[in-house]
Amino acid sequence: DTGVSQNPRHKITKRGQNVTFRCDPISEHNRLYWYRQTLGQGPEFLTYFQNEAQLEKSRLLSDRFSAERPKGSFSTLEIQRTEQGDSAMYLCASSLGRLAGSYEQYFGPGTRLTVT
Amino acid sequence: KQEVTQIPAALSVPEGENLVLNCSFTDSAIYNLQWFRQDPGKGLTSLLLIQSSQREQTSGRLNASLDKSSGRSTLYIAASQPGDSATYLCAGGSNSNSGYALNFGKGTSLLVTP
Repeated sequence: DTGVSQNPRHKITKRGQNVTFRCDPISEHNRLYWYRQTLGQGPEFLTYFQNEAQLEKSRLLSDRFSAERPKGSFSTLEIQRTEQGDSAMYLCASSLGRLAGSYEQYFGPGTRLTVT
Repeated sequence: KQEVTQIPAALSVPEGENLVLNCSFTDSAIYNLQWFRQDPGKGLTSLLLIQSSQREQTSGRLNASLDKSSGRSTLYIAASQPGDSATYLCAGGSNSNSGYALNFGKGTSLLVTP
C-alpha cells in the first residue's frame, strides 16, 4: 500500500498524559499537513511542513502541541498534558507541492484520540 | 480566511436518483477545490480535484464544477447507489492559505436507500 499511513489508529488516554501520533506520507511527497476533526465538523488545519521545515502553525495549535518531520520523511504530532477538549480525529495529508504543480492532498485514515 | 459552506447538511434519496451537492466559498483567490468522501470513523478519500483554471472534472458517475466568479462548486452524482452513502466534504485551497492548506465545509451527509 503506497498511501498515507497513520499510527496508532485509536488512542485512549487519561487527562494529563502525553500522546504521540505518527504519519508516514506518500513517498516523494514534500508537503505534509496535520488537521484535526471533531464530530460533525470538517477538518481544521493545524500545521504543515515542506520537507523538514515546519512553515506554518494554526492558532489552534497551542503550546502543548508540537510537530516534527525529521529528514523530511515521516512526521510526529505530540500533545502534552492532554485535555478532554483534545479528543478528536487527527488527520495527516500529503501532497507533491509546487515542483510538481500539484497541491492535491491525500489523506491518511486518521488517529482517533479519546481523552478520559 | 476562506469560509466554505455546504448545503444541504443532510440528504436522503432513493437508489437510482441523480443528485447535486452544493458548496460555496468566500475567497475568489481559490487555487483549487477538492471533493472528498468520508465514511463513518474513517479518513478522507479524494474524489475530484478542480484547478482554478478548470470549470469541471469528471470521474465515473461523479461530475464536479467550479464557478469562481460566483464562489460555487457542485458535485453531481448520477444514478446513486446505496454504496454512495457517506459524508461528502468540499475544501478550497487558496493562495492566501499557508502552503495551500485546505479550508473545509462541514459536509453533506448522504443516505441512499435501496
